Amino acid sequence: AQSVTQLDSQVPVFEEAPVELRCNYSSSVSVYLFWYVQYPNQGLQLLLKYLSGSTLVKGINGFEAEFNKSQTSFHLRKPSVHISDTAEYFCAVSDPTTSGTYKYIFGTGTRLKVLA
Amino acid sequence: SQTIHQWPATLVQPVGSPLSLECTVEGTSNPNLYWYRQAAGRGLQLLFYSVGIGQISSEVPQNLSASRPQDRQFILSSKKLLLSDSGFYLCAWGESSYEQYFGPGTRLTVT
Repeated sequence: AQSVTQLDSQVPVFEEAPVELRCNYSSSVSVYLFWYVQYPNQGLQLLLKYLSGSTLVKGINGFEAEFNKSQTSFHLRKPSVHISDTAEYFCAVSDPTTSGTYKYIFGTGTRLKVLA
Repeated sequence: SQTIHQWPATLVQPVGSPLSLECTVEGTSNPNLYWYRQAAGRGLQLLFYSVGIGQISSEVPQNLSASRPQDRQFILSSKKLLLSDSGFYLCAWGESSYEQYFGPGTRLTVT
C-alpha cells in the first residue's frame, strides 16, 4: 500500500519570501500525486495534480510542484507567499482499491503560517 | 456544475448517542463517494468509500457505518458515539482516479 510523508508539521515564513513544503511517497509502478489546501474549518481545495508528462506542475494561486521519481518526492513551492496563503497543506497519492476505483492516501499535513 | 453538500455543519453529541451525517452530490451521476475523518494533528483518514448504490467498502474497523441509499447520497452513521469519534468529517466525490472533490465538512464534538 502507498504511504505519504510530509516532513514538516509547521512552516513559518515571512510574507513575500519563497516557501517549499516537502512531500515524499512510497514507490509504486505508477502514481498520481496531489496537493490540497485547507483553510480553517473548510473542506479541501485542489491546488495541483501530477498524472503524467511534465514533472513540473503548475497550480492555482501561484503554486507549483515538481515530481521527482528517483527521490519519490513531490515538493510544493511558491516563489513569494502572501498572508492569505496561511493554511494547512496536504499531499496525497492515489492508490488503487480492490473495487476497481482509487482512494487517496494523505500525508499528515503541513501548517503554513505566513508572517507579516 | 457539480456541488457537494454536507450537513449538519457542526454537531455536539453526548457519548453513547446515535449519529447520522449526510452528504449529497449534485450535477453528476454514479460518482464514487468517500468519507474521511480528520482528527487533530493526524491528517485525513479514509473511513468508507462507495462505487455504487448499496456498495460500501470499509477501510478502518470502528463503530461507524456508512450507507448509500441513493446514487448521490452518502450517509455516515453510528449507533453509539465514543469520545474518540470527535473530529472533522469530510465527504468527497470523484469520477475517476484523478481527482476528488471535497465537501465543506462537519465538525463533530462528542462530549
